[in-house]
Amino acid sequence: GDSVTQMEGPVTLSEEAFLTINCTYTATGYPSLFWYVQYPGEGLQLLLKATKADDKGSNKGFEATYRKETTSFHLEKGSVQVSDSAVYFCALSESNTGNQFYFGTGTSLTVIP
Amino acid sequence: DAEITQSPRHKITETGRQVTLACHQTWNHNNMFWYRQDLGHGLRLIHYSYGVQDTNKGEVSDGYSVSRSNTEDLPLTLESAASSQTSVYFCASSDKLLAATYNEQFFGPGTRLTVL
Repeated sequence: GDSVTQMEGPVTLSEEAFLTINCTYTATGYPSLFWYVQYPGEGLQLLLKATKADDKGSNKGFEATYRKETTSFHLEKGSVQVSDSAVYFCALSESNTGNQFYFGTGTSLTVIP
Repeated sequence: DAEITQSPRHKITETGRQVTLACHQTWNHNNMFWYRQDLGHGLRLIHYSYGVQDTNKGEVSDGYSVSRSNTEDLPLTLESAASSQTSVYFCASSDKLLAATYNEQFFGPGTRLTVL
């Protein structure tokens, strides 16, 4: 069945450091891929998405490229800020499973000044 | 502005009691979902609905039920609350199925439920 695996946290970085959060997936068809962000005490918000192979999603300085050959969708940011401290979830959705979303376990990021 | 709300935001109950968590969306979305969030498990799907009178079981549906009598609401009921159901519950909605796989889900703020 479909599943998403993302790197274990927590991750602690200094401000302006480079961020990578790894995400790999298993899917039976051709999924769309997403990164969601959850700030403390809030629900999840869509950060970026990609709908087909080689697409790059980007938002707020974050980027992720849909790599079909490695079944990956790693999240990157060149220079993190304290305000990026949150939990990040990788997710997939595909039509042959009724467009259900499958989420990874989440990666907690803390950015220190 | 359209939104999705959940109530209550916090709830403490006792083992064996029936509990209902409310979810209301003003997006006019056909699809609605309930998840629970637990450390080490991420979000797990409890139940979902693709429209009025439609309900489906998700990965962790035992002990939970939902009903969809209108487009806006999908209440989640715990028939007889258990300590294992202590969790944070999120409701989400998305646009209709036919619009392709990339429709994002919009999430509510969550309900923190404690079962003593």
